Amino acid sequence: EDQVTQSPEALRLQEGESSSLNCSYTVSGLRGLFWYRQDPGKGPEFLFTLYSAGEEKEKERLKATLTKKESFLHITAPKPEDSATYLCAVQAGGGYNKLIFGAGTRLAVHP
Amino acid sequence: GAVVSQHPSRVICKSGTSVKIECRSLDFQATTMFWYRQFPKQSLMLMATSNEGSKATYEQGVEKDKFLINHASLTLSTLTVTSAHPEDSSFYICSARGGRATGELFFGEGSRLTVL
Repeated sequence: EDQVTQSPEALRLQEGESSSLNCSYTVSGLRGLFWYRQDPGKGPEFLFTLYSAGEEKEKERLKATLTKKESFLHITAPKPEDSATYLCAVQAGGGYNKLIFGAGTRLAVHP
Repeated sequence: GAVVSQHPSRVICKSGTSVKIECRSLDFQATTMFWYRQFPKQSLMLMATSNEGSKATYEQGVEKDKFLINHASLTLSTLTVTSAHPEDSSFYICSARGGRATGELFFGEGSRLTVL
């Protein structure tokens, strides 16, 4: 069964304290791994798509990496405005476009 | 980037009434849209896949007669919660694919439904 597990469930950082969020997955035929940011009461905001092991993508203070079993979202020198829930999702093979989401990591960055 | 608009953002209704939520792709055509449901502090759970011009595909455990989905055009999908009850209160979010075959899914802002 396709599954996505994110850790930690919640993370509290001081401003400037770099860290990483983990997304472990088991899926038959990975077509893509997605990272989203979600603010309270809002829909998810797209961040990255990774397609193959070894791929990396960066956007401002965020960097996403992918291996055959997991993905990391690295946050460098975070700011309070980075506080949000970060969701990981995978798209499996079989010609079906649906995404399977993890439970998310709630990140709080304090000044 | 691609934009998906959802309306209304908030709705409060009485038990037993029906509520319609609209999802529009603003700058691209979407043959497929997805409807998710999210409970507080939980992740998104896929309810159904909406296909333009054909019947929606529902996930296991989702009542198709309860959650009516219509995808009448390439830019509009609607979700109607019929005879709503308090347990239907939730955050409903739609999404549409805006990129290539395995490309990004863009999400609407969500609709908060409260059934009294």
